[in-house]
Amino acid sequence: SQQGEEDPQALSIQEGENATMNCSYKTSINNLQWYRQNSGRGLVHLILIRSNEREKHSGRLRVTLDTSKKSSSLLITASRAADTASYFCATDADRDDKIIFGKGTRLHILP
Amino acid sequence: EPEVTQTPSHQVTQMGQEVILRCVPISNHLYFYWYRQILGQKVEFLVSFYNNEISEKSEIFDDQFSVERPDGSNFTLKIRSTKLEDSAMYFCAIRVGEQYFGPGTRLTVT
Repeated sequence: SQQGEEDPQALSIQEGENATMNCSYKTSINNLQWYRQNSGRGLVHLILIRSNEREKHSGRLRVTLDTSKKSSSLLITASRAADTASYFCATDADRDDKIIFGKGTRLHILP
Repeated sequence: EPEVTQTPSHQVTQMGQEVILRCVPISNHLYFYWYRQILGQKVEFLVSFYNNEISEKSEIFDDQFSVERPDGSNFTLKIRSTKLEDSAMYFCAIRVGEQYFGPGTRLTVT
């Protein structure tokens, strides 16, 4: 089954540094999305990248997609304390299909 | 961005009781989804609902679960006889291009 797996599972960095999280999946996709979740809270959609795109930017976020390697990365530049959260990649293959989430990366920004 | 609300935000119930979780998208949509997230684990797909029918369901979505759209706006998830392992966050989602999630309902089964 298609499944996103994030790497690393947990990441602690100093405020101001860049954070990079990776995601791998198994099958062909239509698009890949990244979500953020603060502890015990809802899912916040960050960015969607389509299978025919290689890179996308949104503010301090930069997402890349390599369909040949079935992998994606999320870069958060100039991290802030408020970026502390879990980050999930999620993939879907068909227009009305379910989203498959990875296990997530727990990001902790140290003051 | 489409707005999706869920009620209640937190539901505590005793094992064996029935619960109904509600999802209210602000505007009309065709594609609805329910996901759940057990504490500390990843988000798991439960069921997708299109044109008033279940289009896909996961192994988790057994006979204890049901979904319906009773009045054309609310979208509900019913668990007939809750078990301890049903304790989780339940997220409703709609699809408008990408999927937009509601804030979730935390279900605690005691």
